[in-house]
Amino acid sequence: AQTVTQSQPEMSVQEAETVTLSCTYDTSESDYYLFWYKQPPSRQMILVIRQEAYKQQNATENRFSVNFQKAAKSFSLKISDSQLGDAAMYFCAYRRYTSGTYKYIFGTGTRLKVLA
Amino acid sequence: DVKVTQSSRYLVKRTGEKVFLECVQDMDHENMFWYRQDPGLGLRLIYFSYDVKMKEKGDIPEGYSVSREKKERFSLILESASTNQTSMYLCASSTRLNNSPLHFGNGTRLTVT
Repeated sequence: AQTVTQSQPEMSVQEAETVTLSCTYDTSESDYYLFWYKQPPSRQMILVIRQEAYKQQNATENRFSVNFQKAAKSFSLKISDSQLGDAAMYFCAYRRYTSGTYKYIFGTGTRLKVLA
Repeated sequence: DVKVTQSSRYLVKRTGEKVFLECVQDMDHENMFWYRQDPGLGLRLIYFSYDVKMKEKGDIPEGYSVSREKKERFSLILESASTNQTSMYLCASSTRLNNSPLHFGNGTRLTVT
């Protein structure tokens, strides 16, 4: 069964500094998608970044980038120049194809605190 | 922008009540999902639907049922609410496209007393 593990329940970072959130997953499939979602106190889950497994180049969205290591089944999120608005729960998710559609499996989340 | 609307932000129900959580999306998405979010457990899939009147069990379907009579609406039903169903419930939708992410509603925080 596929699983997604986020080993850091909570992280802190100083404003303007860089922080990396870790995520590992377990799968026997060769093609899949990985996602990072952000959930601020407003509770609205927001897509941060996505990565397709067959693409070797790491995805980047402004201050957010991933370090995708397919062989190690690792998908970490790097936030550069951290801002107070980055404070949120961050969830890593793996998507697989089943029963004619896609199912998403989520990790347990990492709470990121940004210190002024 | 995709909008996924959950009918209630907060809900308080009594044990044994039948509870309906409603979710509507406005982007003609084929797939809709219900998740439950609990601290330390992340998001767990309850049910999903990939077409009208179609439904599939997720990882924790016990005590829940769903209904999808129209493409834009996906309802989660607690047949007889219990205190262990106190949780945050998130609805989401997506297209069938390979790279489609999930689009989430704002969540319903349900308390069963």
